Amino acid sequence: NAGVTQTPKFQVLKTGQSMTLQCAQDMNHNSMYWYRQDPGMGLRLIYYSASEGTTDKGEVPNGYNVSRLNKREFSLRLESAAPSQTSVYFCASNPLALSYNEQFFGPGTRLTVL
Amino acid sequence: GDSVTQMEGPVTLSEEAFLTINCTYTATGYPSLFWYVQYPGEGLQLLLKATKADDKGSNKGFEATYRKETTSFHLEKGSVQVSDSAVYFCALRDDKIIFGKGTRLHILP
Repeated sequence: NAGVTQTPKFQVLKTGQSMTLQCAQDMNHNSMYWYRQDPGMGLRLIYYSASEGTTDKGEVPNGYNVSRLNKREFSLRLESAAPSQTSVYFCASNPLALSYNEQFFGPGTRLTVL
Repeated sequence: GDSVTQMEGPVTLSEEAFLTINCTYTATGYPSLFWYVQYPGEGLQLLLKATKADDKGSNKGFEATYRKETTSFHLEKGSVQVSDSAVYFCALRDDKIIFGKGTRLHILP
């Protein structure tokens, strides 16, 4: 049981390049989330998927798109990367969107946009 | 809207000192409250939680009590260790989960 996995761990992009961050969970959770973590800002929700087949915007969705490929996988895409998107990105999951269970986090992807 | 405010860091203590990290919240409903910990280079992991007023969450020597009258969920530990050095996040979950900005803790040997 690997929990929540993310790839890649590190990535450097040039402004304007695109990339997809991958996330997968093996806990049969319905809900999955993408956050970014910036110094002094805590975690900010980018997008979430309450269940397979649905996605919704979070607090900071501009410049990102997501795909809930199946129950296990939730990817985050940067179509045209900007230096302001330099951050650490975390994927998380929990059993149900409106439950009071904890969230389980992946190890993060550290992205630098030059 | 709902919000979480926690004390700014960094907090630096000597080993075996008493720790308090303050957390207060505003919420329209009856949220569950959480403390998460992030060790260097890792993702967040749940430290403890409380789901209703007067509940006490505890784990690894850390404790926090859900105080509805003061809308607080302060994290405490009686004797910290160097291995407790990390970033601590207070969070609430009502219709969505909201995190505080995090408090970095340094423990000196």
